[in-house]
Amino acid sequence: DAGVTQSPTHLIKTRGQQVTLRCSPKSGHDTVSWYQQALGQGPQFIFQYYEEEERQRGNFPDRFSGHQFPNYSSELNVNALLLGDSALYLCASSFAGGNYGYTFGSGTRLTVV
Amino acid sequence: AQSVTQLGSHVSVSEGALVLLRCNYSSSVPPYLFWYVQYPNQGLQLLLKYTSAATLVKGINGFEAEFKKSETSFHLTKPSAHMSDAAEYFCAVSNTGNQFYFGTGTSLTVIP
Repeated sequence: DAGVTQSPTHLIKTRGQQVTLRCSPKSGHDTVSWYQQALGQGPQFIFQYYEEEERQRGNFPDRFSGHQFPNYSSELNVNALLLGDSALYLCASSFAGGNYGYTFGSGTRLTVV
Repeated sequence: AQSVTQLGSHVSVSEGALVLLRCNYSSSVPPYLFWYVQYPNQGLQLLLKYTSAATLVKGINGFEAEFKKSETSFHLTKPSAHMSDAAEYFCAVSNTGNQFYFGTGTSLTVIP
């Protein structure tokens, strides 16, 4: 049974560009959350998607947007990249919220130069 | 507001010694509490979770944590450290199960 799958694993972008990260949730999970983990820090909540809608959002600017598809997979889009957006982006899936804990993917390492 | 404080960004223990990683939380309502482990270049793996059932929670790999409401703590322990326990450990709190607040992590080193 596949867990959470994220692509790509590594990405290098130039400041000002746009990036799209992808996530396939664990089988049976319907909720996808995105987290940003800067080097040496704990993950920071970006937003959560459920039933193809953004259910909750953390303290991130509108440059960060997302989407959830009918098959529960999700995309994270970041526009106008800044150097400070360099981080590990983690996707986590769960069933009907995260009360029982998320299952995390291995993440996408984004480097902005 | 919710937050988590992990005391000690780095902890070193000898192989076979007790592991104690500290976590204190702030929450206005009874929280959900979690411990995750992260190995290098990997995502986070759930170790254990507290969801208002038993206050002593047993997790995977011999870890356990005790919820102490009076101390607002949820410390992680393991009686005997193994070399494979070396990793980064994160405590997380959530009121709703939607948005999790993570601590800054504790790096555990196990000395042979």
